[in-house]
Amino acid sequence: QSVLTQSPSVSGAPGLRVTISCTGSSSNIGAGYDVQWYQHLPGIAPKLLIYGNRNRPSGVPDRFSGSKSGTSASLAITGLQAEDEADYYCQSYDSSLSRWVFGGGTKLTVL
Amino acid sequence: QLQLQLSGPGLVKPSETLSLTCTVSGGSISSSSYYWGWVRQPPGKGLEWIGSFYSSGSTYYNPSLKSRVTISIDTSKNQFSLKLSSVTAADTAVYYCAANIAVPGHDAFDIWGRGTLVTVSS
Repeated sequence: QSVLTQSPSVSGAPGLRVTISCTGSSSNIGAGYDVQWYQHLPGIAPKLLIYGNRNRPSGVPDRFSGSKSGTSASLAITGLQAEDEADYYCQSYDSSLSRWVFGGGTKLTVL
Repeated sequence: QLQLQLSGPGLVKPSETLSLTCTVSGGSISSSSYYWGWVRQPPGKGLEWIGSFYSSGSTYYNPSLKSRVTISIDTSKNQFSLKLSSVTAADTAVYYCAANIAVPGHDAFDIWGRGTLVTVSS
């Protein structure tokens, strides 16, 4: 079981908006540690999408946005495109475990 | 543009030591701008941080793996390496090397290498 909880799957039609949630606890997200999001296509290196809860690295489209509230965080993707079909992972730090932790991943299917 | 290339055997016998190397291009392994780490993903499971090496020479390991893990760098080859001893089938995973931008409070794995599947089996 991953320390950060994500729904296993989410789907949406092209052009629409989806959100992916990441639920933690008082020792990680709720403790104020930042949340990062990664996009992972099979056989390809994971790609950083969001860092520091809501910041996008250079080159990441503004269709991707992140937010955080309490012990949870969310990744929103607007204007869904076929190329967005991938696995998405959240990541933070856990003070009780003294290590970086990841969510179990959410598979996005573009219908 | 920093790039990471992972290399190492895809099959390791139980009780032996898993050894992987990550070659850095487009930047120096000695740079204080980055720190270097390893992450793995067992089949059907989520990502797991293994450990990280800082330019100061400090290393930080996942407490659950600490007794078996060593991360080191080779400045002459611009590489950093992972050694995981006494492996079992539970260590079968896709292994990734990653680079983090060394900015206080920045906890992201900014750049990743393409992963490699390491299977532990006799």
